Amino acid sequence: GAGVSQSPSNKVTEKGKDVELRCDPISGHTALYWYRQSLGQGLEFLIYFQGNSAPDKSGLPSDRFSAERTGGSVSTLTIQRTQQEDSAVYLCASSLGGEVGNTIYFGEGSWLTVV
Amino acid sequence: QKEVEQNSGPLSVPEGAIASLNCTYSDRGSQSFFWYRQYSGKSPELIMFIYSNGDKEDGRFTAQLNKASQYVSLLIRDSQPSDSATYLCAVRIGTGGFKTIFGAGTRLFVKA
Repeated sequence: GAGVSQSPSNKVTEKGKDVELRCDPISGHTALYWYRQSLGQGLEFLIYFQGNSAPDKSGLPSDRFSAERTGGSVSTLTIQRTQQEDSAVYLCASSLGGEVGNTIYFGEGSWLTVV
Repeated sequence: QKEVEQNSGPLSVPEGAIASLNCTYSDRGSQSFFWYRQYSGKSPELIMFIYSNGDKEDGRFTAQLNKASQYVSLLIRDSQPSDSATYLCAVRIGTGGFKTIFGAGTRLFVKA
């Protein structure tokens, strides 16, 4: 597609339920990022995929969070046993690669509300 | 120490003035530096990037990089009310991968 596509755009879930957020990066982009942004806050790095390399998971806040990227393209972020503090917008982004200067392009985000 | 630090603001400037936004980073291995603008309820959008010491100009925007002092700044000339937004500094860390870390952002208000 022309841009980074994320789904769902909005998700309301009950505390304790699992959720899956999907990201379809720009075609040809080998790098994919997940960030989280709570209301009025900055972007919190979660995880980074680059080609076939092992992902950098250093930003995942707990073992309830996991992400995978299948076939080097689509990525799914899974949050198990959701808590109210997980409520935020989850932003996916992609770039051509890790080289100097490659720009990150963001999707519109998945707005998650845990009630 | 946070990896990327910005003054949260808000920074308020009158229309037509120069807005100066600053950012410092901790990793000396950092290679690329980006400024993004984010309007409320929207995703960040790229303004410009810089990776060499000195100034880089693009229209009303000038990015300045000083690797020795580990800071990067963004100047907005002839500020307009439409420039009112949160400005995010992002740093691509070049050691152990190329993950990109964002600062918390500076809120800018341009008063008409």
